[in-house]
Amino acid sequence: SQQGEEDPQALSIQEGENATMNCSYKTSINNLQWYRQNSGRGLVHLILIRSNEREKHSGRLRVTLDTSKKSSSLLITASRAADTASYFCATDASNFNKFYFGSGTKLNVKP
Amino acid sequence: GAGVSQSPRYKVTKRGQDVALRCDPISGHVSLYWYRQALGQGPEFLTYFNYEAQQDKSGLPNDRFSAERPEGSISTLTIQRTEQRDSAMYRCASSYNPPQGTLGNEQYFGPGTRLTVT
Repeated sequence: SQQGEEDPQALSIQEGENATMNCSYKTSINNLQWYRQNSGRGLVHLILIRSNEREKHSGRLRVTLDTSKKSSSLLITASRAADTASYFCATDASNFNKFYFGSGTKLNVKP
Repeated sequence: GAGVSQSPRYKVTKRGQDVALRCDPISGHVSLYWYRQALGQGPEFLTYFNYEAQQDKSGLPNDRFSAERPEGSISTLTIQRTEQRDSAMYRCASSYNPPQGTLGNEQYFGPGTRLTVT
């Protein structure tokens, strides 16, 4: 399976701290996306990084991709209580945007 | 125009009954995806369409599950002879997905249909 797996499974930090989540996968990919899900609600797209990119930024988010290690990381800087959610990576090895999701990292940001 | 919509939002059915779950994608989006999500897990790919063509149904668990998108817009996921193990959140997503060769469009997810089989 090429499914991405996030690490850690759960993370608890204080507001203002940075949060880092990692995603590892097994096969070569075309791109990787990160999604956020609040408490069983819908999934919200955060950022996409293509296989020929190494780093992308979006606001307080920074994503890196290391294709040699088959891993990606999501960094949330200056976390807020509102960042409390589950974060999923989704990998695509197809030519058709077919994504496989990991089981997620549950982030708890304490006010 | 807003986002992806799904109906019903909640469905309780008795074992053995058939259910049909509906997804209305964002207007103009070429691709439509169905996922199933168990509690505490990420979405599990079921099937997807480009326009009306079902491109990949490798994720459908068995032949009780089928999906269609006859006019390239609204899609229906049908589960026949439901079983308790089918209970889950069923999510639909759509993406613009330009012609093949241009990869990596974000998928916009609907709110899901919570299916409970009793």
